[in-house]
Amino acid sequence: EVQLVESGGGLVQRGGSLRVSCAASGFSFSNYWMSWVRQAPGKGLEWVANIREDGSEKEYVDSVKGRFTIFRDNSKNSLSLQMNSLRAEDTAVYYCARGPKNIFGVVFGGWFDSWGQGTLVSVSP
Amino acid sequence: EIVLTQSPATLSVSPGERATLSCRASQSVGSKLAWYQQKPGQAPRLVIYDAVNRATGIPDRFSGSGSGTAFTLTISSLQSEDFAVYYCQQYNNWPPWTFGQGTKVEIK
Repeated sequence: EVQLVESGGGLVQRGGSLRVSCAASGFSFSNYWMSWVRQAPGKGLEWVANIREDGSEKEYVDSVKGRFTIFRDNSKNSLSLQMNSLRAEDTAVYYCARGPKNIFGVVFGGWFDSWGQGTLVSVSP
Repeated sequence: EIVLTQSPATLSVSPGERATLSCRASQSVGSKLAWYQQKPGQAPRLVIYDAVNRATGIPDRFSGSGSGTAFTLTISSLQSEDFAVYYCQQYNNWPPWTFGQGTKVEIK
């Protein structure tokens, strides 16, 4: 069974830093791109960042570029998001999500087929 | 950036009735569109991918259609467990992956 379990959320002051992590199990982690998707209270979904299966490529939404860093450790099946210079508008539930898949060097998919339960990050104004 | 616009914002439907949700893209995304279901306090769940394919475990009362810029998610006969918020997402042109703002399907 695919499992994604986030941790590390909490309350942080504006301008502060926080790292959230995701522990993956039940699948071949090193074959998948992984993403962070967030959801502000009462709002919709926003893709934040993704990382290629081998960590060689990373992409970010414009609003977090230069402040957030996504990284992974395939030996530990873990995904992390380091968040610096946090703003009130970063307050959200942060979800770890799986996809797309690398199949023999070809990127397959683009949808997110498994999600963690989310971890809440609250930034005090 | 591709903008996805979902309509209506809220859809009131009686159990057993059909629900039709719309998602329009600001430019063509081909068939690279997914739909997700999200219930209160839960993570999103993949329902449809590549515009028309049901994800694993999704009942056949859910169907997706469309291509290019206009897409539809149809729930043929609403069950109590289907009342939720539904989001569309494009993956034809990324980054960024983008989501629609959601359609809430509520009990009439």
